[in-house]
Order: sequence, then structure tokens, then C-alpha cells
Amino acid sequence: EVQLVESGGGLVKPGGSLRLSCAASGFNFNTYYMNWVRQAPGKGLEWVASLSSGGRDHYYADSVKGRFTISRDSAKNSLYLQMNSLRAEDTGLYFCARTQGHYDTFGYDVWGQGTSVTVSS
Amino acid sequence: SYELTQPPSVSVSPGQTARITCSGDELSKQYVYWYQQKPGQAPVLVIYKDSERSSGIPERISGSSSGTTVTLTISGVQAEDEADYYCQSADSSGFRVVFGGGTKLTVL
Repeated sequence: EVQLVESGGGLVKPGGSLRLSCAASGFNFNTYYMNWVRQAPGKGLEWVASLSSGGRDHYYADSVKGRFTISRDSAKNSLYLQMNSLRAEDTGLYFCARTQGHYDTFGYDVWGQGTSVTVSS
Repeated sequence: SYELTQPPSVSVSPGQTARITCSGDELSKQYVYWYQQKPGQAPVLVIYKDSERSSGIPERISGSSSGTTVTLTISGVQAEDEADYYCQSADSSGFRVVFGGGTKLTVL
């Protein structure tokens, strides 16, 4: 079964850091673009970051550029999001998602259930 | 920054046709993907590359494109179609991804 499972969310103070993980199974992780998408409480979806299959090319939303870093470990079939200098507006549910197709850069056909991040003092 | 515009809400009676639009300056150059999200659940890809239906999605859900506007059409709406729907695309580079603000479909 193709599956993505996020972990690492929690409560953190403004200015703090958190590292999210996404464990992939059931498919050849190393051949897909991977992504993070977040959703603030009661709000819409917001693209956060994307990483190419080889891990060389990464892209970020302006709202997180310079603070968040996306990475992957092919040996562990895992995707990560290192979040630094966290702000209240970073609060939300963070989804890991797979890009459909080996040659596409967006269009997400597999999603995890999300991990919740709350930034509050 | 690049934006996609969707109506905040659409309401239809069961059996009617719902149409949800998504507009953006680059939509004539980039594909659009549509997602359905029900409360407490992760989004589900329903339409990819403007008009292709994902596996397991009923035929009454379809997508079309015309210039800088794309449309998600749900024919013969059923109660189970009540959800939030999001369009997704990218800027001209193809790497800066954007979601529309979402449309809440209410089945009356």
C-alpha cells in the first residue's frame, strides 16, 4: 500500500524550531518529487516547499523562505522539513504529499494525514 | 505573487450541476489539478492535467479549460460531494506552486 506518514509536530514557542518527518512506503520514493503543504485552522491549503527526486532542486513559498529547509533521505525513504524561527502564522496541519508522475513538479496524488504544529507562547 | 481565484462557495440541490471556476494569468500555460477535501481528512486528487479523472473518481466529476479559466463540473450532485474543492497550478517556471483559496460546495 502506498503510504505517507508524518510525525514531529507539536507545540513550540515563537522563535523556536521543529523538524517534521514523513515516512514513505509502498513505492519507489527515490523517483518522485516530494512536497510539504500546510493548512492553518479553518483556512485553505498553502504550498510550503518541494524537493526534486534527487534532492538537488528545492523550492519554497515566500512565506517560509530562509526559515524552512526541505530535505530527504533515500536510505530511510523519508522526507523532512526543518522549521526555524517559527511564528504564530506557521501554526497549522502540515501534510506531506507525493507529486504524481516522475516528470511532473506538481499535482499531488498521495497525501499523508498530516502532523499538527502550534506556535504559541 | 501569482494567485488563483476561486469563488468562496457554491450551493446546489441534489441532482443539479455544480460548476466551480478557477482563474489565473498563467492557466493557459500550466496544468491545473483539482482536490476534494472533506472535514478532518487529507485532500484527494480528483482531476489532473486540467481534465483527466483520477482513479476511482466518478464520471460525473469532470474538468475543462478555456484560456485563463478552468472549471470543475460535478453533474448530478450527491450529498457525498459536499466538500471543499481546491485548484492547484504553478507560475510560468513550473516550480512555484499555488493553490486557489478553495470553494465550499454545499448540497442543499
